[in-house]
Amino acid sequence: EAQVTQNPRYLITVTGKKLTVTCSQNMNHEYMSWYRQDPGLGLRQIYYSMNVEVTDKGDVPEGYKVSRKEKRNFPLILESPSPNQTSLYFCASSPQAPGKGTQYFGPGTRLLVL
Amino acid sequence: GENVEQHPSTLSVQEGDSAVIKCTYSDSASNYFPWYKQELGKGPQLIIDIRSNVGEKKDQRIAVTLNKTAKHFSLHITETQPEDSAVYFCAAQTQGAQKLVFGQGTRLTINP
Repeated sequence: EAQVTQNPRYLITVTGKKLTVTCSQNMNHEYMSWYRQDPGLGLRQIYYSMNVEVTDKGDVPEGYKVSRKEKRNFPLILESPSPNQTSLYFCASSPQAPGKGTQYFGPGTRLLVL
Repeated sequence: GENVEQHPSTLSVQEGDSAVIKCTYSDSASNYFPWYKQELGKGPQLIIDIRSNVGEKKDQRIAVTLNKTAKHFSLHITETQPEDSAVYFCAAQTQGAQKLVFGQGTRLTINP
């Protein structure tokens, strides 16, 4: 089954404790992206990747890191989480950049930073 | 950069009636406008999209219209059903940009 998977689905952590949210897709997509969803703000892009070893900042990259060492994986790293990073996070992938193929979203990761 | 405004934030309609959600965008160079549906506990899913060279697109009970002059586009759902209850997001992509900019979302509730 074609899908985007994220782990963990739920996470409670404390300020400053490094964490990684994994994202994997099995559709051989070149484009992958991370979004955060907050009430009243919609979906905002954090980082995106056009292909392996090619990443770029989205609209809200502060406090986040990403890497794209393999085509299928695109982990999101929070080196020192803060309470304002409490949010619902989505990973997404598409064959190429948006507009050149359907973008598929993962099920989401709900993060609470205390 | 591109900015997308979506209205209303919540919408409640009777089953069988029509629902309309509107979005405006700021960048006249934007040329791709998708709509996503997010069901409870799930990620957004593309339901319909339109490009700037088309004024209207339909898919069964769903339609999207685009007014390039006014820089707004709308989602129309006819004969609404309970399973249409969800959060809907519009988005816009500027030509050459490698990303989508999303609206704030509309929570649609269909009342039986």
